[in-house]
Amino acid sequence: QQQVKQSPQSLIVQKGGISIINCAYENTAFDYFPWYQQFPGKGPALLIAIRPDVSEKKEGRFTISFNKSAKQFSLHIMDSQPGDSATYFCAATAMGSARQLTFGSGTQLTVLP
Amino acid sequence: EAQVTQNPRYLITVTGKKLTVTCSQNMNHEYMSWYRQDPGLGLRQIYYSMNVEVTDKGDVPEGYKVSRKEKRNFPLILESPSPNQTSLYFCASSWAFNQPQHFGDGTRLSIL
Repeated sequence: QQQVKQSPQSLIVQKGGISIINCAYENTAFDYFPWYQQFPGKGPALLIAIRPDVSEKKEGRFTISFNKSAKQFSLHIMDSQPGDSATYFCAATAMGSARQLTFGSGTQLTVLP
Repeated sequence: EAQVTQNPRYLITVTGKKLTVTCSQNMNHEYMSWYRQDPGLGLRQIYYSMNVEVTDKGDVPEGYKVSRKEKRNFPLILESPSPNQTSLYFCASSWAFNQPQHFGDGTRLSIL
């Protein structure tokens, strides 16, 4: 069964700190790795995504690091803000697969003011 | 405004009483899908549709039905709901199956 394992389940960070969420996958056919951000009462929204031909992608305070040989990828949130408090899901898919996304179990991030 | 609209947002019902959750998108997307979200399990795909009249099973299709008679609508049908279908459900759409998805705001179902 295709799986994406995500950790930690919850994370508490002080304002200005760095939040790090890790994911590991098993299926070597996966070739697209997005991160979704979900606020209470809302659906997930695409935050940032990476393909395995690069090891890092940065968009503002958000960075994905990708390690193809270890089959791991992580989300780093620099200078974390209280407004970043949300649930974060990593996901993976094979771009040729119509089944689309396999999600991790989610990380509830709380950034303390 | 581009959006995916689900109705109802909340529903409490009883075992065995058929229900339908509607999903409509105004972005002319071809691909639509349904997910359920459960604590500790993330989101799991129930069914997806690559275009009108084309649907297929996702990872957890048991107990659910879908139809895609129009491009904009993709209802989720529970013919005989059971308590293990109590969950938070999301509909999503995208231009194609390999494009980023837009999610609705969710429907919380409680089956007593």
